[in-house]
Amino acid sequence: GAVVSQHPSRVICKSGTSVKIECRSLDFQATTMFWYRQFPKQSLMLMATSNEGSKATYEQGVEKDKFLINHASLTLSTLTVTSAHPEDSSFYICSAEGGTGNTGELFFGEGSRLTVL
Amino acid sequence: SQKIEQNSEALNIQEGKTATLTCNYTNYSPAYLQWYRQDPGRGPVFLLLIRENEKEKRKERLKVTFDTTLKQSLFHITASQPADSATYLCAVYNFNKFYFGSGTKLNVKP
Repeated sequence: GAVVSQHPSRVICKSGTSVKIECRSLDFQATTMFWYRQFPKQSLMLMATSNEGSKATYEQGVEKDKFLINHASLTLSTLTVTSAHPEDSSFYICSAEGGTGNTGELFFGEGSRLTVL
Repeated sequence: SQKIEQNSEALNIQEGKTATLTCNYTNYSPAYLQWYRQDPGRGPVFLLLIRENEKEKRKERLKVTFDTTLKQSLFHITASQPADSATYLCAVYNFNKFYFGSGTKLNVKP
């Protein structure tokens, strides 16, 4: 199946700094990628839909100025958490739809655990 | 918006038995429904997809049913093994978005 790579897998930062998370589709082109946030024992919460070459579409309640998304190419989307605070600590996961056959399945990255001190 | 409900309590079963997990959605009938497996600290992994015009789908020891009248999907793992222990998420696709349930943790005891 298709592979989505996410980096870094873990990051610890100080409050007030910015953190960038990368999501790459390794063997297929992804015109659309999705960014999720997951708290312990809770569901994946869709934050935004990232579209190659255009602005991301954010879900209600997600601050677009705080969570900057850039989808500059068909294989790379980035999520930047700006001016991070402890409440931003979470597990962030990206996904892409596609691969060969377009079966409708989502391919997920391994996730990035963000801890803001 | 769509609300997906899965049993939040862990399901504990004995090895060799069949595990059955439930997913209910509250609003619009999705174009298709999917099941994923998630291990701790990892991203979800796709297992099965079932479309709204399909009642049942099988893949090896896995079986998924889809009842649009009940707004429910059942996910079965037959001859369960300790390696099947994980959290299982269901997801529905509506209006170009995927909505996930909170998952049910399955523990298969040897």
